[in-house]
Amino acid sequence: ILNVEQSPQSLHVQEGDSTNFTCSFPSSNFYALHWYRWETAKSPEALFVMTLNGDEKKKGRISATLNTKEGYSYLYIKGSQPEDSATYLCAFIRLDSWGKLQFGAGTQVVVTP
Amino acid sequence: GAGVSQSPSNKVTEKGKDVELRCDPISGHTALYWYRQRLGQGLEFLIYFQGNSAPDKSGLPSDRFSAERTGESVSTLTIQRTQQEDSAVYLCASSYGLGSDEQYFGPGTRLTVT
Repeated sequence: ILNVEQSPQSLHVQEGDSTNFTCSFPSSNFYALHWYRWETAKSPEALFVMTLNGDEKKKGRISATLNTKEGYSYLYIKGSQPEDSATYLCAFIRLDSWGKLQFGAGTQVVVTP
Repeated sequence: GAGVSQSPSNKVTEKGKDVELRCDPISGHTALYWYRQRLGQGLEFLIYFQGNSAPDKSGLPSDRFSAERTGESVSTLTIQRTQQEDSAVYLCASSYGLGSDEQYFGPGTRLTVT
């Protein structure tokens, strides 16, 4: 993996269902992985910053895991609500470029009542 | 407290004109970043500033783009001789430090080059 890839590109989820999606990134020269939520007409909002292999972070119904050796991170939404509808972006930081976030294209999540 | 602010929120300009976009970061944040999102594409890194260090300009797409930052405060992104492909939403973000610090984004400036 040379770039940051996110899959799927979009998800439609029924309210109350749980879902998850993937961010793949280069497994070498890893420094940090960021997750952001970007709602329509708003600014991207930070969810998690993860730096250690095996890290698991949680904020409310949203959680994330990190595997730096194989180069992937999962984001989980438990019991999806309409307010979870947004584009979820992951961004990779290389060890030799601390300030440069390489963003994936995002996973667009639509939660329907 | 105040978040990151950007001005103008919208800018329509004619091809060939110069434009200046402004970003006011959160007070105390030493790092400041510029990104853009063109239609149908992902967020693209342009440049970052960290304290008094030389900025990382590696994402600027051409020499028509330049950016300055005054100390640890306001930054301006200047695009000279604008082209239609410069049309995008330009986002500014700031953080306490680099790398493992989350970034706080401004509302963006939507630039349309006609």
